Amino acid sequence: AQTVTQSQPEMSVQEAETVTLSCTYDTSESDYYLFWYKQPPSRQMILVIRQEAYKQQNATENRFSVNFQKAAKSFSLKISDSQLGDAAMYFCAYRAGGSQGNLIFGKGTKLSVKP
Amino acid sequence: DAGVIQSPRHEVTEMGQEVTLRCKPISGHNSLFWYRQTMMRGLELLIYFNNNVPIDDSGMPEDRFSAKMPNASFSTLKIQPSEPRDSAVYFCASSFGTVGLSRTFFGQGTRLTVV
Repeated sequence: AQTVTQSQPEMSVQEAETVTLSCTYDTSESDYYLFWYKQPPSRQMILVIRQEAYKQQNATENRFSVNFQKAAKSFSLKISDSQLGDAAMYFCAYRAGGSQGNLIFGKGTKLSVKP
Repeated sequence: DAGVIQSPRHEVTEMGQEVTLRCKPISGHNSLFWYRQTMMRGLELLIYFNNNVPIDDSGMPEDRFSAKMPNASFSTLKIQPSEPRDSAVYFCASSFGTVGLSRTFFGQGTRLTVV
């Protein structure tokens, strides 16, 4: 069974600085997709960034980028120029390729941003 | 589009009572997911539907839980009888297709408290 592990329950960053959130996963599949979701106090799950496993190039979305290391099964999220609005829970998620469409989530990392 | 709509946003009920959570997916989406979020277990898939048909219900905790999707625009998750350990946030999510980078959209969740 696939699993997703986020080893940092909490992280803190100074406003305008850069922070990296870690995520590792375990799978025997070769075709899969990885995602980072943000959950602010409003509870809304917001997709931050996504990556296809077959792509070597790391995905980027404005201030958010990933470091995808397929051999190491690692998928970390880097937030540059951190803003107060980035404070939230961040969840790493995995989805197998093929027809199985559900997301498997890590336990999350709570990010605090200090002014 | 208004996004995935869940109701109610909050529900407080007494142990033993029946609880029904409702979800309206995004129009045109053909996959619907019910997730449960707790501090201890994180986000877990309960069940998911594709074209109104349940595909994977292995995450449904026990017979007290049931889910239906009578049409493409409505789904319910019912707990009967409810127990205090069912207290959690229940998310409904939908997507168009279940493969690749198809994006999963989440509702704002229902916070259920069973006393």
